[in-house]
Amino acid sequence: GQQLNQSPQSMFIQEGEDASMNCTSSSIFNTWLWYKQDPGEGPVLLIALYKAGELTSNGRLTAQFGITRKDSFLNISASIPSDVGIYFCAGPPNFGNEKLTFGTGTRLTIIP
Amino acid sequence: SAVISQKPSRDICQRGTSLTIQCQVDSQVTMMFWYRQQPGQSLTLIATANQGSEATYESGFVIDKFPISRPNLTFSTLTVSNMSPEDSSIYLCSVVGHPRLGNEKLFFGSGTQLSVL
Repeated sequence: GQQLNQSPQSMFIQEGEDASMNCTSSSIFNTWLWYKQDPGEGPVLLIALYKAGELTSNGRLTAQFGITRKDSFLNISASIPSDVGIYFCAGPPNFGNEKLTFGTGTRLTIIP
Repeated sequence: SAVISQKPSRDICQRGTSLTIQCQVDSQVTMMFWYRQQPGQSLTLIATANQGSEATYESGFVIDKFPISRPNLTFSTLTVSNMSPEDSSIYLCSVVGHPRLGNEKLFFGSGTQLSVL
């Protein structure tokens, strides 16, 4: 089956710094989604991307749909303590399919 | 109140017993799914809960172990049967087609943290 590999697996940054992470697939995706999961909670949708090359922002978060359709990137600018959590990319393995394949996750820790 | 409510939020169970997890949505939704998240891992789809019919299970998951019900468009249950310590995970209900959240996107409940001793 399709796999979504995220990197880095974990990252430690100072408060105020930017954080960048990416997600790569072994096959083409037509939609890319980015979720954040806080401890003890379900994932929360941050950004959805629908077109190759698309760049979308949500506050301090910016995500891009790679032009090859096999990757996506998420950037968090000027990090704050509440950005701590696990970030997952996700996408439907088949066009029009509501079921999602999730990436391996990137754990973000912010050093005060 | 939460849009997608799961009960219980956490439980500690003895091996060999069964636990039923409930998912209640505040509006009718198109689709409901159940995911499992093993400790430190990503999310894996268990099954699609079909309203009024048998759930559709993903590879590696079977009805005898994870019976699912969906009697209407706002409610579903997942049972984890004959539990073993390997079943210790977070179980997550998710929906697509919520009228306020966005029709085409997948949203999650807060999850059920299950520990099996």
